[in-house]
Amino acid sequence: NAGVMQNPRHLVRRRGQEARLRCSPMKGHSHVYWYRQLPEEGLKFMVYLQKENIIDESGMPKERFSAEFPKEGPSILRIQQVVRGDSAAYFCASSPSDRSGHEQYFGPGTRLTVT
Amino acid sequence: RKEVEQDPGPFNVPEGATVAFNCTYSNSASQSFFWYRQDCRKEPKLLMSVYSSGNEDGRFTAQLNRASQYISLLIRDPKLSDSATYLCVVSSDSGYALNFGKGTSLLVTP
Repeated sequence: NAGVMQNPRHLVRRRGQEARLRCSPMKGHSHVYWYRQLPEEGLKFMVYLQKENIIDESGMPKERFSAEFPKEGPSILRIQQVVRGDSAAYFCASSPSDRSGHEQYFGPGTRLTVT
Repeated sequence: RKEVEQDPGPFNVPEGATVAFNCTYSNSASQSFFWYRQDCRKEPKLLMSVYSSGNEDGRFTAQLNRASQYISLLIRDPKLSDSATYLCVVSSDSGYALNFGKGTSLLVTP
């Protein structure tokens, strides 16, 4: 049973470029969450999606960041015009339900470095 | 005030010595509580859920005190492989977004 898959595992972008991070949830899971971990910081919630719906994006920066989870294919976290402060580990998690109490299982993360 | 607070450590303990971590959380409406483990530069991995009645999984015991908004994790007979950062995690008002502490670092020595 494959776990949550993320790619790429490492991504280097120059300032001003776009970054696209992909996440495939665990089999049977229809709920996807994105978190960001800045160096020496705890994970911070960014966005929660179900297929074709953004349920909660309260943790997303107001500009340059967007997320989607299309009917077919992986969830995508897109960062436009990246800046050095976007350098972080971006983790995707999935769960079978949004019911409180359901554990979330994390992918290996994408480490974004902005030069 | 931070949503979830933990002592960052590090806790350096010899193999076999019992160690306990604590955390406090600020949102009294939180309903779900977890301990995750994170190895260096890896993803968080679920260690266990935490219930008010207390629960045990092998050498690990977790306790929740809702009145004090306090969560604990006890590790008995720690092994070298238990060396990691332990993350205290509490659900947000929404119920699905998780609030993570910054973690407590544990180093088990021979």
